[in-house]
Amino acid sequence: AQSVAQPEDQVNVAEGNPLTVKCTYSVSGNPYLFWYVQYPNRGLQFLLKYITGDNLVKGSYGFEAEFNKSQTSFHLKKPSALVSDSALYFCAVRDISSGNTPLVFGKGTRLSVIA
Amino acid sequence: KAGVTQTPRYLIKTRGQQVTLSCSPISGHRSVSWYQQTPGQGLQFLFEYFSETQRNKGNFPGRFSGRQFSNSRSEMNVSTLELGDSALYLCASSRDFREAFFGQGTRLTVV
Repeated sequence: AQSVAQPEDQVNVAEGNPLTVKCTYSVSGNPYLFWYVQYPNRGLQFLLKYITGDNLVKGSYGFEAEFNKSQTSFHLKKPSALVSDSALYFCAVRDISSGNTPLVFGKGTRLSVIA
Repeated sequence: KAGVTQTPRYLIKTRGQQVTLSCSPISGHRSVSWYQQTPGQGLQFLFEYFSETQRNKGNFPGRFSGRQFSNSRSEMNVSTLELGDSALYLCASSRDFREAFFGQGTRLTVV
């Protein structure tokens, strides 16, 4: 079965500094990988996805993520953090090689950007 | 283009009661998934439906059930509510099992 690990419950970064939110995954076949963001009392907003092709994926609001197959990682990055980026971030994976499998989420990482 | 609509947004129920939550997917999306979000457990997968058929089911007791209608709208039902069922219930729709788009959620409080 597929799984996702987000090793950090909380990430703190100063405004203007680069940010990284880590994600590793486990699938038996090929993955579709996603990042979502959640603001308080809201649903999840889609940020970006890796389906196939370039390992560096660019998404909404200046975020990007790098797919690393050998390390089974899909870390979320942004060159310069904004206070408004403070939110809860979820990494998700779907194993597309194993027939009918659901989209599975990590436990989330709370990002706090300090002015 | 309208997004995923979940109703109601907030709900307060008493232990032992049952509840039905509704989800209208984005037009053209035939897949609907449901998740339970709690502070301690994160996002737990409940069900996934495609064209009225349950495609996947998570590890939840039989008190949790769902269905999808021919217009792709979906409902989930929880019977004999327990305090631990208090959570944010999220619905997501997808066109092709790639990215899923989420509704605002229904906040269920069981007292």
